[in-house]
Amino acid sequence: SQQGEEDPQALSIQEGENATMNCSYKTSINNLQWYRQNSGRGLVHLILIRSNEREKHSGRLRVTLDTSKKSSSLLITASRAADTASYFCATGMYSGGGADGLTFGKGTHLIIQP
Amino acid sequence: AAGVIQSPRHLIKEKRETATLKCYPIPRHDTVYWYQQGPGQDPQFLISFYEKMQSDKGSIPDRFSAQQFSDYHSELNMSSLELGDSALYFCASSYSGNSYEQYFGPGTRLTVT
Repeated sequence: SQQGEEDPQALSIQEGENATMNCSYKTSINNLQWYRQNSGRGLVHLILIRSNEREKHSGRLRVTLDTSKKSSSLLITASRAADTASYFCATGMYSGGGADGLTFGKGTHLIIQP
Repeated sequence: AAGVIQSPRHLIKEKRETATLKCYPIPRHDTVYWYQQGPGQDPQFLISFYEKMQSDKGSIPDRFSAQQFSDYHSELNMSSLELGDSALYFCASSYSGNSYEQYFGPGTRLTVT
């Protein structure tokens, strides 16, 4: 079953505006990661937030995590045309048994209009 | 910085044929993961290896098998290919000693005709 659901599925904004994407998940997690994917290309790791963290920043990215609501948000500030891509959240639950695979959400397709 | 290398980048096979995909992790990474992404879909975890042993198993069909070798590279073997196997196959690697961030390769696009 799908762990993460992204909201919205598609988002179109003007260059310079902020973009916010949300992700919800169902089970307990150790961490949540956000990835970017340009059309048909590889997945680029953006940021990881641990379950005991509430907020994390990296450049123009701000990620929040609310474990009580099982949700996360990714904020991209001052968007640029190059930010046009699909954004996925992915959750990991490392039970100590080894390298568990990530469970990805459906993704948000972000379009930045020049 | 060195990234994950996957080969081939593109592969075209016919139904019922076999295919082998290769993955070379980032140097010093000891863990490899395989994911499948169908058209317009999110990536689905298939299988992972840590120190050459199978670590976790996802939605990998019985027709597929994988292994990790002594140099940490990994191969995904796919047999009796079906049209539905057409997808992007990603390999990712990580180092178990840190935060489990997974770094993805560029993917192999498999087309089954």
